[in-house]
Amino acid sequence: DAGVTQSPTHLIKTRGQQVTLRCSPKSGHDTVSWYQQALGQGPQFIFQYYEEEERQRGNFPDRFSGHQFPNYSSELNVNALLLGDSALYLCASSLRASGLAKNIQYFGAGTRLSVL
Amino acid sequence: GQQLNQSPQSMFIQEGEDVSMNCTSSSIFNTWLWYKQDPGEGPVLLIALYKAGELTSNGRLTAQFGITRKDSFLNISASIPSDVGIYFCAGPETYSGAGSYQLTFGKGTKLSVIP
Repeated sequence: DAGVTQSPTHLIKTRGQQVTLRCSPKSGHDTVSWYQQALGQGPQFIFQYYEEEERQRGNFPDRFSGHQFPNYSSELNVNALLLGDSALYLCASSLRASGLAKNIQYFGAGTRLSVL
Repeated sequence: GQQLNQSPQSMFIQEGEDVSMNCTSSSIFNTWLWYKQDPGEGPVLLIALYKAGELTSNGRLTAQFGITRKDSFLNISASIPSDVGIYFCAGPETYSGAGSYQLTFGKGTKLSVIP
């Protein structure tokens, strides 16, 4: 049973460029959440996708956008990259369900983005 | 948004010692999650807590959901070198829509084990 997979593992970009990160959720999961983790910090919620729509969004600018495909995989796009966008980007998947079980999110290994 | 405060920020312990760390919130949570993150990896779920006062174990790890619902504790007994890593507490932000909840994380407790 494959867990959450993310690609690429590492990425180097320059300021002003655009980047696309990809995520395949754990088998059987239908909800994908994206987090940004700066060095020495806990993950910060960016947004969440379910049924191919953005359902929740954290405090991130519109430069951060996403997409979910019919097979539940997801992309995170960041436009006009800034130096401060350098971070580990984590994808987490979960299964929409009733009760407290929906609070369990399983994480991928992340994509390390460096902006020069 | 909600904030989670973890303490201590870091700790150095001798192999075989017990470890205690905690997490406090400015608001009530109905679920507490404890994750561990190794270098270059994503967080891995260790323990999930669903009820105030609940005490749950996972091997040498034991976590408790505080009675006030504003705190949680994680204990590791008889530490070993592979316990090294960063431990995060997390809780869901309330959301009434479809899908699962977004998670708020603490800043983590970095654990170092001296052989």
